[in-house]
Amino acid sequence: QKEVEQNSGPLSVPEGAIASLNCTYSDRVSQSFFWYRQYSGKSPELIMSIYSNGDKEDGRFTAQLNKASQYVSLLIRDSQPSDSATYLCAVNKAGGYQKVTFGTGTKLQVIP
Amino acid sequence: EAQVTQNPRYLITVTGKKLTVTCSQNMNHEYMSWYRQDPGLGLRQIYYSMNVEVTDKGDVPEGYKVSRKEKRNFPLILESPSPNQTSLYFCASSLQGGSYEQYFGPGTRLTVT
Repeated sequence: QKEVEQNSGPLSVPEGAIASLNCTYSDRVSQSFFWYRQYSGKSPELIMSIYSNGDKEDGRFTAQLNKASQYVSLLIRDSQPSDSATYLCAVNKAGGYQKVTFGTGTKLQVIP
Repeated sequence: EAQVTQNPRYLITVTGKKLTVTCSQNMNHEYMSWYRQDPGLGLRQIYYSMNVEVTDKGDVPEGYKVSRKEKRNFPLILESPSPNQTSLYFCASSLQGGSYEQYFGPGTRLTVT
């Protein structure tokens, strides 16, 4: 079982719709969760970080964390063509571990 | 401007010829890390460093070396590159460790023939 799993996609949504991206992780001691966006040929850039169960909102983006079910999701409201990119989920474990594990990413396509 | 820089951006080399990819950050970050990105495998951590003279292995350290003699620099060394090290490499830094957001450099595309 992979430490961090994402559906590779592509996930296609029409412009203006809500895009829902999911990520599951295997290690229950994980404590820090990140969503990065990566445009083709570019480096990853942080979208959201979340550390506690529940929702965290930032503009059109909402991150949701459920530690009991070991999943973290990213919702993008009012999706725009400029949101078309690959979204990477990253996880860091607790207890002083400094390794960061990334999922393979979900490719999102927003159709105008 | 706060940034992570990498050099070179593109490199084509031959098997066995030692090379170094440099990484530098100007944000006074304690944590620096190297990743490789391959199709279907995503970003995989090679090595990371919590501070000067403190480094540790990530998930795929074989064939790589690192050093952290200064806080701002974290070079990646391939002493005897092989074709399976052909990849896109990213350097990243964060304020204090893996639980903080990371800032990525622009990437280095390495081809080993």
